[in-house]
Amino acid sequence: AQSVAQPEDQVNVAEGNPLTVKCTYSVSGNPYLFWYVQYPNRGLQFLLKYITGDNLVKGSYGFEAEFNKSQTSFHLKKPSALVSDSALYFCAVRVHTGGFKTIFGAGTRLFVKA
Amino acid sequence: DTEVTQTPKHLVMGMTNKKSLKCEQHMGHRAMYWYKQKAKKPPELMFVYSYEKLSINESVPSRFSPECPNSSLLNLHLHALQPEDSALYLCASSQVDMGLVSDEQFFGPGTRLTVL
Repeated sequence: AQSVAQPEDQVNVAEGNPLTVKCTYSVSGNPYLFWYVQYPNRGLQFLLKYITGDNLVKGSYGFEAEFNKSQTSFHLKKPSALVSDSALYFCAVRVHTGGFKTIFGAGTRLFVKA
Repeated sequence: DTEVTQTPKHLVMGMTNKKSLKCEQHMGHRAMYWYKQKAKKPPELMFVYSYEKLSINESVPSRFSPECPNSSLLNLHLHALQPEDSALYLCASSQVDMGLVSDEQFFGPGTRLTVL
C-alpha cells in the first residue's frame, strides 16, 4: 500500500533556530513528493516538491526538503524559524490510480516561540 | 490569476436541505478535486475530475453529488446530509500532464459546512 507517515504530531522550536519536520513514504515506483502548509481556517498552500534531480529541493518562504531514497524520507527544513511559520504541515505523495490522487500524511503542527 | 475561489465561505444546513458548494479556477487546470477535512486531520479525497469527467470517486455516499459543468467550475451538490458530514470542504485544481502526476495542487480556502 502507498502511504506517507509523519511521525511527529507537533514540533516546537524557538524563533531563529533551525527546524525539521519529518516525513517518510512508502510507494511503488518513483515517488512524487510534496509539502503543503495550512494556516488556520485556510486551504493548503504548496511549499515544494521533489520529482527528480537534486535531492535538496528549495521552496517557498525559505523552506527546503531533502529527498533520501535509501531512508525513504523527505524531511522539511528551514535554517531559521519565524513565529509566522507556525502552522500545520502536510507531507504528500502523488500517485496515478486511474486518475491523479494525492495521499497526505497525518500532518505535523509546528509551533515557533518568540 | 493563480487563485481557486470557493463559495460560500460558511454554510449551515439542516438534514433535509439541499445546497450546493461552488469552486472556480481560471488557471487552465484540467484536473479538479473535492476534499473533506475534519479538524486537525489531513484532507480526505472525495472526487477527482479530469478533463471534466469524473475519474475518481472515493466511495463517497450518494448524498454528495459532484458536477463539473465546464473546465473552470466544479460544484458539489448536497442533499440529506448528516451531522457527521460537518467539515471543511476544500476544492483544488492542478495541471494535467498525461502520464505524469508531478504537478502540485492549488487549493481554495474551503467552505466550512455545519449540518444541524
